[in-house]
Amino acid sequence: KAGVTQTPRYLIKTRGQQVTLSCSPISGHRSVSWYQQTPGQGLQFLFEYFSETQRNKGNFPGRFSGRQFSNSRSEMNVSTLELGDSALYLCASSLTGSAEQYFGPGTRLTVT
Amino acid sequence: QKEVEQNSGPLSVPEGAIASLNCTYSDRGSQSFFWYRQYSGKSPELIMSIYSNGDKEDGRFTAQLNKASQYVSLLIRDSQPSDSATYLCAVKEGRRALTFGSGTRLQVQP
Repeated sequence: KAGVTQTPRYLIKTRGQQVTLSCSPISGHRSVSWYQQTPGQGLQFLFEYFSETQRNKGNFPGRFSGRQFSNSRSEMNVSTLELGDSALYLCASSLTGSAEQYFGPGTRLTVT
Repeated sequence: QKEVEQNSGPLSVPEGAIASLNCTYSDRGSQSFFWYRQYSGKSPELIMSIYSNGDKEDGRFTAQLNKASQYVSLLIRDSQPSDSATYLCAVKEGRRALTFGSGTRLQVQP
């Protein structure tokens, strides 16, 4: 079974631009969570989606948003990029009723 | 106080020894506990999950949970250089989001 896939794997953007990251969960997984990982802050939870509905949201500004489609694929968007948004963005999926999350390879975003 | 606490390390052990990684959590309602391994430049990989008090063994890995003390540990027996990585403890309560500790860096010396 294929794992979680994320695209793109690497991205370089300029301050003020916006970016959209994509995540395809493991087949059959309907829950998708997004995390930001930086050396200073560790793994920080962004949001969780299940059946196209946001179930949980972390403590990030409104510039960070996400959505989930009917096929469980998810996207996250960051508008008005700041230098501090440079990070590894990770997506994880899980089966309905299971708390075990499986991570994708991540998208490395660099904001210059 | 952070919700999930781990010693950042590095924890250095010789090859063949037992590595002991510890994690404490603050939410007494936590029900699910996980250990992830993360190699440098890679994403976290789930290696153990534990839901009830006691020990759970999987190969060279043993997870230990003590809910009364709010303590989770991971033992790695016969440590190998390939076990050198950062180990992340994660905790979940009900339908709340998974909360991660900052990780412990393990170095296994050949």
